Amino acid sequence: GQQVMQIPQYQHVQEGEDFTTYCNSSTTLSNIQWYKQRPGGHPVFLIQLVKSGEVKKQKRLTFQFGEAKKNSSLHITATQTTDVGTYFCAGSGTYKYIFGTGTRLKVLA
Amino acid sequence: DSGVTQTPKHLITATGQRVTLRCSPRSGDLSVYWYQQSLDQGLQFLIHYYNGEERAKGNILERFSAQQFPDLHSELNLSSLELGDSALYFCASSVAEFGYTFGSGTRLTVV
Repeated sequence: GQQVMQIPQYQHVQEGEDFTTYCNSSTTLSNIQWYKQRPGGHPVFLIQLVKSGEVKKQKRLTFQFGEAKKNSSLHITATQTTDVGTYFCAGSGTYKYIFGTGTRLKVLA
Repeated sequence: DSGVTQTPKHLITATGQRVTLRCSPRSGDLSVYWYQQSLDQGLQFLIHYYNGEERAKGNILERFSAQQFPDLHSELNLSSLELGDSALYFCASSVAEFGYTFGSGTRLTVV
C-alpha cells in the first residue's frame, strides 16, 4: 500500500540554526500537506502544495514539492524555541491522507 | 478551539472492555476522519465517513468499528480492548484545500 516516509526521525538544533525535514512517497501524489504537532497537542495544518516544483513560504518556513510529485521538504530558517514539535507531511490518497512518520524537532536555547 | 469536538479527553479502561469515542466535526463539514497515534508514532488512518457513508478504510482492526450519524457526529467503537490499543485517537474534519482540522483527541489507556 501507499507509504510516506520522513527523515530524519529526530533533530536537535541550537536556536538560530536551520532545520530541514524530507518527505518521500511511494506513489505520485496529487497534493501534499504539512502539519505541526506541538508536544501534548494535536496536529495543526500548515500548508498544502499541489503543483509540481511548487515552493511556498510562510515567514521562516519554506515548503517545496518535488518535480515528480513524490517528495517534499520543509525548511525552517533560524529556528526558534517556538518551532519545537513534530512536523508531519501527509500525502493525498483515495478519500484520505497518509501521514508520514514525522520529524521531531527540539530546539536548544 | 478548533471547532472539532472530541469526548472524552481521557479514558482508562481494562483489557477486554469496550469503549466509545465521540467526535463532532466543525459546523458544515460533512467528513469525519479517524486516526490513531500510538506513543511516539505517526498518525495511522483508521476510517473516513462522508455524510453518513463510509468512504475509506485503513488498517482498522475488526474489533474497531465506526459510524456517522445523521447529525454528522461520529462514534468510534473499540471492543475487546488490548494493552496495545492504548493510544491517542484523533478525529478530523476537512474542507478541500484547507487541510484537516483535528480535534484535541481522546487519550485511551488500557490497563
